[in-house]
Amino acid sequence: EVQLVESGGGLVQPGRSLKLSCAASGFTFSNYYMAWVRQAPKKGLEWVATISTSGSRTYYPDSVKGRFTISRDNAKSSLYLQMNSLKSEDTATYYCARHGQLDYWGQGVMVTVSS
Amino acid sequence: DIVMTQAPLSVSVTPGESASISCRSSKSLLHSNGITYVYWYLQKPGKSPQLLIYRMSNLASGVPDRFSGSGSETDFTLKISRVEAEDVGIYYCGQLLENPLTFGSGTKLEIK
Repeated sequence: EVQLVESGGGLVQPGRSLKLSCAASGFTFSNYYMAWVRQAPKKGLEWVATISTSGSRTYYPDSVKGRFTISRDNAKSSLYLQMNSLKSEDTATYYCARHGQLDYWGQGVMVTVSS
Repeated sequence: DIVMTQAPLSVSVTPGESASISCRSSKSLLHSNGITYVYWYLQKPGKSPQLLIYRMSNLASGVPDRFSGSGSETDFTLKISRVEAEDVGIYYCGQLLENPLTFGSGTKLEIK
């Protein structure tokens, strides 16, 4: 059974950093691109980042480019999202998802950026 | 960026009846490989999104065949036949053709 379990969320002040993790199981992690998608409270879905199978290629929307960094450790079947210079508009539930189809999603982790 | 526009904003359906949700993209989602990269997701209350339809018309694993997807290069439809109470939630279309990946604003399905 495919499982994606996020962790690392919480309350953080504007301008500070936070790192999210996603532990994957039930599939060959190294064979798949992976992605982060977020959802602000009562809002829709917003793509945040994608990483290639080896980690050599990463992609971001302009809203987070230069502030967020996606990475992975295939040996640990883990995905990460380093978030720097956080803003109030980054407040959201963050989901990791298996790419290709975004066919499996984690349960999500809440990040609140507030002073 | 490709804009995905969904309609209606919400729909109320009697159990057993059908419902259709529309989605329009600002650019063709038909790739030169013949695949149309539009996807449909359902987010049930308090849950994570789940994949319903991939590449416009393919049913995801475990999804009831009451769900179907169709469309052209820019206009797409999700049809739910014989709506059941478990179908409530917010339906999103999304395009995975190119970055940035983008999603529609969602259609809320309620049961009458």
